[in-house]
Amino acid sequence: GAVVSQHPSWVICKSGTSVKIECRSLDFQATTMFWYRQFPKQSLMLMATSNEGSKATYEQGVEKDKFLINHASLTLSTLTVTSAHPEDSSFYICSAILLAGDTSLLQQYFGPGTRLTVT
Amino acid sequence: AQSVTQLDSHVSVSEGTPVLLRCNYSSSYSPSLFWYVQHPNKGLQLLLKYTSAATLVKGINGFEAEFKKSETSFHLTKPSAHMSDAAEYFCVVSTNAGGTSYGKLTFGQGTILTVHP
Repeated sequence: GAVVSQHPSWVICKSGTSVKIECRSLDFQATTMFWYRQFPKQSLMLMATSNEGSKATYEQGVEKDKFLINHASLTLSTLTVTSAHPEDSSFYICSAILLAGDTSLLQQYFGPGTRLTVT
Repeated sequence: AQSVTQLDSHVSVSEGTPVLLRCNYSSSYSPSLFWYVQHPNKGLQLLLKYTSAATLVKGINGFEAEFKKSETSFHLTKPSAHMSDAAEYFCVVSTNAGGTSYGKLTFGQGTILTVHP
């Protein structure tokens, strides 16, 4: 089946530093990947849509200069949290779309998530 | 615009009894609806999905859901709960509105299911 991995699974960084999170589709090509953020005891909130070879589309309220997204290949998207602050501590989850002909059958496959703690 | 409301933040059942997790949605277009499960420290797993075919959808692990357009509901059920079902469940809606929201998912607030022995 379609597998999406994330690296690292957890990271602790100091306030003011930058952190890069990788999202890979292991056995399929994904033209579109999504980045979500999940705060404790809350639901997933879409941050941005990442398309291979083009600029990411950010949701309202998400700072594009703070959350840099690079979708350099059909199997890799990266999210860089720049100048991280404690309020950026969260669970970051990526997903990738596996296109299966009929777009009504589209399905997002989710990575296991990355827990970021900023001290 | 699309939204999802999960009516219960917590549901507690005894092992072997039925499970009902409630979900209502709103969408300007014909929606696709999903239920995902999230076990602690694990990624989201798709339980089942509705994409305009049969209104009663059967998923993995004995779960099923019924799409009721008149009630704008997509409740998740299972006849007999198992201890391993304890997790958080998300109802999700996706709408393809002329391609502008292709693949964009909107998540409900989540329902934590507790299963007692």
